[in-house]
Amino acid sequence: QVQLQESGPGLVKPSETLSLTCTVSGGSLSAYYWNWIRQPPGKGLEWIGYIFYSGTTTYNPSLKSRVTISVDTSKNQFSLRLKSVTAADTALYYCARLTTVTHGYFDDWGQGTLVTVSS
Amino acid sequence: SYDLTQPPSVSVSPGQTASITCSGDKLGDKYACWYQQKPGQSPVLVIYQNYKRPSGIPGRFSGSNSGNTATLTISGTQAMDEADYYCQAWDSSTASVVFGGGTKLTVL
Repeated sequence: QVQLQESGPGLVKPSETLSLTCTVSGGSLSAYYWNWIRQPPGKGLEWIGYIFYSGTTTYNPSLKSRVTISVDTSKNQFSLRLKSVTAADTALYYCARLTTVTHGYFDDWGQGTLVTVSS
Repeated sequence: SYDLTQPPSVSVSPGQTASITCSGDKLGDKYACWYQQKPGQSPVLVIYQNYKRPSGIPGRFSGSNSGNTATLTISGTQAMDEADYYCQAWDSSTASVVFGGGTKLTVL
């Protein structure tokens, strides 16, 4: 098991860019898929996208035009950028490790960080 | 897009069996997994690859997946099992992870 910790601003203004970082400790990024998942208050989980340790990315089609996920293997971190945010992007943002695609599962999660979009 | 449908809520008496369903087109051809989320906590994997249990998950949790429906079954449900449960699968057509809407399990 690895430990994941999200960090970043808790408040973002509408139309601006949300930026979060996930720091992975207790293991390397190699051979896994590193994901961002969000949960609006009182609602369900929404997958945002993942990055493979090599840098390959896949995004939720509904968010694809606004999302960028990047990785810094030297720091054992990966990051999320979500541009042009609105109040609908207010959510608890989790980073999580996916074991593989097709038959994979999320076996480690961060504690989540609340991001509020408000002026 | 691929959709997974769960009942919003399920109620069960302590000691009885709870079944939570997750429906999707030809879901039985995919791998389903299940997460438990208690208030204020991150989700925890309870079933993966349809029926496998991670270490540390009690044996009362079991899973199945056939046809269009995956099912999470909790036998001898305990008060500590009260939580939200989410199913998840992979949509190969869009190369995306998909979550069900979640089911609130109430033990009363």
